[in-house]
Amino acid sequence: EADIYQTPRYLVIGTGKKITLECSQTMGHDKMYWYQQDPGMELHLIHYSYGVNSTEKGDLSSESTVSRIRTEHFPLTLESARPSHTSQYLCASSDQGDYYGYTFGSGTRLTVV
Amino acid sequence: GESVGLHLPTLSVQEGDNSIINCAYSNSASDYFIWYKQESGKGPQFIIDIRSNMDKRQGQRVTVLLNKTVKHLSLQIAATQPGDSAVYFCAEHPGGFKTIFGAGTRLFVKA
Repeated sequence: EADIYQTPRYLVIGTGKKITLECSQTMGHDKMYWYQQDPGMELHLIHYSYGVNSTEKGDLSSESTVSRIRTEHFPLTLESARPSHTSQYLCASSDQGDYYGYTFGSGTRLTVV
Repeated sequence: GESVGLHLPTLSVQEGDNSIINCAYSNSASDYFIWYKQESGKGPQFIIDIRSNMDKRQGQRVTVLLNKTVKHLSLQIAATQPGDSAVYFCAEHPGGFKTIFGAGTRLFVKA
């Protein structure tokens, strides 16, 4: 049973549209992350948050933005989708401290046409 | 640059055999390592972790070995089952917010 939820699971959208990918967790974790992953490939960190009102960009340059108004909610927004944004987007959370693994959501597979 | 790499992109094993998935890491400062399993259509799932003050840790049917001298990490799966078929990622934690994931090894289990 998932403790971190992502919606939608699949999304096909036209170029130029604005989209928001939702991520919510029920574990009370302070740390949350967004990763981009092409099928079978490594994960690239695009945004992370240490807590409410804390957001930072990750290693991968991204045209997306995030917000963290509530502990449990960490949505990712693309203001103007492009075909190059086609990918899988994974949300994760972890407990405080340095020695905890991540709990991942099932991902949103985005296709921009 | 920092990287976590896997020696083989795919591994095929017979059901019931043991599997060994290898991983090389590059950051000597990394003090925490995790193995994840990702099944098709799902997010990665935590399998087992190990801190740098240990060289071996066992779970249920899985064992992680850490060799800090050569910066090598391995995941051993005993009596591999069809349900073990997935992509396996190693990840290292060099401190701060960073967790570095490798490219993944796809494990195929032949019946």
